[in-house]
Amino acid sequence: AQSVTQPDIHITVSEGASLELRCNYSYGATPYLFWYVQSPGQGLQLLLKYFSGDTLVQGIKGFEAEFKRSQSSFNLRKPSVHWSDAAEYFCAVGAESGGYQKVTFGTGTKLQVIP
Amino acid sequence: NAGVTQTPKFQVLKTGQSMTLQCAQDMNHNSMYWYRQDPGMGLRLIYYSASEGTTDKGEVPNGYNVSRLNKREFSLRLESAAPSQTSVYFCASSERRLNQPQHFGDGTRLSIL
Repeated sequence: AQSVTQPDIHITVSEGASLELRCNYSYGATPYLFWYVQSPGQGLQLLLKYFSGDTLVQGIKGFEAEFKRSQSSFNLRKPSVHWSDAAEYFCAVGAESGGYQKVTFGTGTKLQVIP
Repeated sequence: NAGVTQTPKFQVLKTGQSMTLQCAQDMNHNSMYWYRQDPGMGLRLIYYSASEGTTDKGEVPNGYNVSRLNKREFSLRLESAAPSQTSVYFCASSERRLNQPQHFGDGTRLSIL
C-alpha cells in the first residue's frame, strides 16, 4: 500500500527566506507524485507533479521539487518566500488501483510567513 | 473557468437529517471523487467514480451514498447525518490517465449538531 509522510505539521519562515517542505513516500514502483497548496477556505490547487524524466520539476508560483528515489523523498522548495505563500501544503502519491487513480495524501504542512 | 463546482458551500444539519452534496465539472473528465478533510488527517477518499455509470467505495464509505448522474455530475448523500460526519467535503475530477492530477472544488463545510 502506498503512503505519504509529511513530518512537519507547522513551519514558520520569514518573508524572503528560503523554504523546504519535506515529503517521504512509500510505494513499490515508480510513483506519481504531486504537491498541492490549499489557501484558507479554498480547495486544493496543483503546484507541480512528477511521473518520469528529470527529477527536478518546476511548478507554479516559483516552486520546485526534487524526486530522490534513494531517499523516497519529494521535497518542495522555494528560494524566496512571499507573504502570499502562507497556506497549507499537501504532498500526494498516485498509483493505479483496480482501474482508477488512487491518490494518497499526506497530512499537510501549514506554512506561516512572518514579515 | 468554472472547473469543479460544489454546492452548497456551507450547511448545518441536525443529527438524523439527510442531505445531498452536489458536484459538477466542466472539464470533460471521466473520473470523479469525493473526499473528506479533517484536521490532522489529510484527505480521505469516501467514494469514487472511475467513469460514467460506475461507482466504488473508497477508504471511508460508511454512512454515505453516491450517484454519478452523468459525466458531469457526481453527488454525495448523507442519509442520516451523525456528528462524526462533521467535516469539509471536497469533490475532485481527473482524466483516467494515471499521470494526470485531480482538480478540486472549493469544498462544502458541513456541521452536524
